[in-house]
Amino acid sequence: DQQVKQNSPSLSVQEGRISILNCDYTNSMFDYFLWYKKYPAEGPTFLISISSIKDKNEDGRFTVFLNKSAKHLSLHIVPSQPGDSAVYFCAASPGGTASKLTFGTGTRLQVTL
Amino acid sequence: DTAVSQTPKYLVTQMGNDKSIKCEQNLGHDTMYWYKQDSKKFLKIMFSYNNKELIINETVPNRFSPKSPDKAHLNLHINSLELGDSAVYFCASSPLGSNNEQFFGPGTRLTVL
Repeated sequence: DQQVKQNSPSLSVQEGRISILNCDYTNSMFDYFLWYKKYPAEGPTFLISISSIKDKNEDGRFTVFLNKSAKHLSLHIVPSQPGDSAVYFCAASPGGTASKLTFGTGTRLQVTL
Repeated sequence: DTAVSQTPKYLVTQMGNDKSIKCEQNLGHDTMYWYKQDSKKFLKIMFSYNNKELIINETVPNRFSPKSPDKAHLNLHINSLELGDSAVYFCASSPLGSNNEQFFGPGTRLTVL
């Protein structure tokens, strides 16, 4: 029962272009959504998050969009840089203290020169 | 360095053995977690401790026993290791009221032969 899905296992984008990573969820109890970035042999690193009361959150080159009715969120990276090449995990939580994160399976982003 | 650290980084052992993985965070966080990333790259929560108290236990076999001697440490002891325990184990921590932004350690790759 996969409650958070990232249907694209990989994505290749040219440097300078926009990268769009998608995530779908099924549990309507999820209240908070996060994106993590992971390099090989390292732990996931928090990137950006969004609460269910918002539909957009922006931090520099990274913007997360949330469509609650569609149970869909996306991460936009613009402009994409070679250092952005990593695996990106979407995660969701029902909120509250020490709520567990439910992760998607990740999308490997390759930014080419 | 302020961080979440884990030891060892790699652990190779025989079936049936007992092993421990240690985790320490010096971020002053109240909550700590253990996650397992299996061969299919699913990252799933196993346990969560808040101020040394177990608050999440995700139907993990009782061969796995977390121990939190203080709120900065959460160790994972595994008895009678099985082949299926081979995975990367990540420790994480978060402050109270953080809206679930969790900080991850670098991971411990466990290989059971």
